[in-house]
Amino acid sequence: EVQLVESGGGLVQPGRSLKLSCAASGFTFSDYNMAWVRQAPTKGLEWVASISYGGSNTHYGDSVKGRFTISRDNAKSTLYLQMDSLRSEDTATYYCAKRRVHYFDYWGQGVMVTVSS
Amino acid sequence: IQLTQSPSLLSASVGDRVTLSCKGSQNINNYLAWYQQKLGEAPKLLIYNTNSLQTGIPSRFSGSGSGTDYTLTISSLQPEDVATYFCYQYNNGWTFGGGTKLELK
Repeated sequence: EVQLVESGGGLVQPGRSLKLSCAASGFTFSDYNMAWVRQAPTKGLEWVASISYGGSNTHYGDSVKGRFTISRDNAKSTLYLQMDSLRSEDTATYYCAKRRVHYFDYWGQGVMVTVSS
Repeated sequence: IQLTQSPSLLSASVGDRVTLSCKGSQNINNYLAWYQQKLGEAPKLLIYNTNSLQTGIPSRFSGSGSGTDYTLTISSLQPEDVATYFCYQYNNGWTFGGGTKLELK
């Protein structure tokens, strides 16, 4: 059974940093591209970042480009999202998602990030 | 590509045939998926590549469309189908629609 478990969320002040983690199990993590998708409170879904199975190719949404960094450790089956220079508009639930080609077939339960002073 | 879903809110009765619409600002070339999100839960993949049913999803769900216009159909609405439904395109970048909230009448 595919499982994706996010951690690392919480309350952070504007301008500070936070690093999210996603522990994967139930599939061969190193064979799949992965992504982060977020959802602001009562809002729709927004793709944040994607990374190739080997980690060499990354892509970012315009709203986070230059501030967020996606990475992975295939030996630990873990996906990361380093979030710097956080803004209030980054407040959202962040989901880790397994990619099948270009769509997402499994999602984690999400982790809440609140950016507020 | 921007995706516009309609209606934003849909009320229907158990057993009804329900149709949800998703319209792209450009040709999506059938690279469209549908997700179901129940309150407090993560999204679940229902349909990919316009009309392919994800494993384990009931056959009352189906997808169709081409070009810029796509549809998710629930042939006979069940109480457990109450959720918000999002379309998602992966033809040019990766974008989600704003969602259709489906409730029971």
